Amino acid sequence: AQSVTQLDSQVPVFEEAPVELRCNYSSSVSVYLFWYVQYPNQGLQLLLKYLSGSTLVKGINGFEAEFNKSQTSFHLRKPSVHISDTAEYFCAVSDGGSQGNLIFGKGTKLSVKP
Amino acid sequence: NAGVTQTPKFQVLKTGQSMTLQCAQDMNHEYMSWYRQDPGMGLRLIHYSVGAGITDQGEVPNGYNVSRSTTEDFPLRLLSAAPSQTSVYFCASSPAWTGVLEQYFGPGTRLTVT
Repeated sequence: AQSVTQLDSQVPVFEEAPVELRCNYSSSVSVYLFWYVQYPNQGLQLLLKYLSGSTLVKGINGFEAEFNKSQTSFHLRKPSVHISDTAEYFCAVSDGGSQGNLIFGKGTKLSVKP
Repeated sequence: NAGVTQTPKFQVLKTGQSMTLQCAQDMNHEYMSWYRQDPGMGLRLIHYSVGAGITDQGEVPNGYNVSRSTTEDFPLRLLSAAPSQTSVYFCASSPAWTGVLEQYFGPGTRLTVT
């Protein structure tokens, strides 16, 4: 069975600093990988996804993620965060391609301080 | 388009009561699913449907029933609520050809069972 591990439950960072949110997955087959963001009291919004091709994936709001097959990682990065990036971020993997189901990590709360 | 809508936003139930969480989408999406979100647990799939008349179980289906009589609606029923079902419930939908690659999430229903 596939699983997703988000290595940090909380990440505090100052405004304009860079940030990396870490995600590792376990899978013996090709995977589709996702990052979602959840702002307070809202539903989830897709930030970016990796399906195939270039291992560096760019998403919305200046975020990007790098797929590393050898390390089974899909870390999310942003070079300079804003207060408005304060949210919870979820890494997810599909367990069956586009027609599978999403397996979510436990989430990382990003707190951006002035 | 209203997207994915969920009602109610908040609900308090007593143990043993029954209720239905409503989910509707106006995007003509074939695929719909229900997740629950618990602190420190991420999102876990309860039930999903790939089209009207077709439903299947996810990771945590016990205590929940679903049916899909129309493309637009996918209600989630709690037959006898238990405190362990206190959670935030999210509904999601996507077109059949994209599956989990382009899921749209509703705003959630916060349920408390006392």
